[in-house]
Amino acid sequence: AQKITQTQPGMFVQEKEAVTLDCTYDTSDPSYGLFWYKQPSSGEMIFLIYQGSYDQQNATEGRYSLNFQKARKSANLVISASQLGDSAMYFCAMRQGGSEKLVFGKGTKLTVNP
Amino acid sequence: GAGVSQSPSNKVTEKGKDVELRCDPISGHTALYWYRQSLGQGLEFLIYFQGNSAPDKSGLPSDRFSAERTGGSVSTLTIQRTQQEDSAVYLCASSFQRGGFQETQYFGPGTRLLVL
Repeated sequence: AQKITQTQPGMFVQEKEAVTLDCTYDTSDPSYGLFWYKQPSSGEMIFLIYQGSYDQQNATEGRYSLNFQKARKSANLVISASQLGDSAMYFCAMRQGGSEKLVFGKGTKLTVNP
Repeated sequence: GAGVSQSPSNKVTEKGKDVELRCDPISGHTALYWYRQSLGQGLEFLIYFQGNSAPDKSGLPSDRFSAERTGGSVSTLTIQRTQQEDSAVYLCASSFQRGGFQETQYFGPGTRLLVL
């Protein structure tokens, strides 16, 4: 069965510093996709970044990058130059090949301090 | 362009009443998903629609839950005889199919349901 684990319930970072949010996953399917979403207090889930299991390069989107270590089954999100607006819940999710549903981790609450 | 929209944004109902939640996907997106986010269970998949195919209902928690999608666009999630444990945020998402694969799911703002 698919499983996503986010071991950090809460993280704190100083403004302008980088932060890494951890995500490990468990699947026996060689084909899968990994996603990170941001959920501010307003509640909307905002897509940040995607990594496919066959992608050779780590995904990057602006200040977001995904540290994909396939052998370790980890897909950590790195946010560079944190901003106050980055304070939110962050969810890691996986879509397994052949299934369209997303399986989510429990989330990490990130607080950016001025 | 316009994102996924959901209505109502908030709904308070009494135990035992039926509720309908609506989702308008992004124009051109062929797939539509419903998820539920509750304190105890986190984010859970409920149901998935793709074009004219039979929906994947594998995540619906009980037969009190049903959903339909009319004309391949708007979807309604219905909860009959609501229970207090149905209180949650119901999130809708849509995605575009390219080359037989679904692309990234984009979410709406959710409907916050409170069952008293």
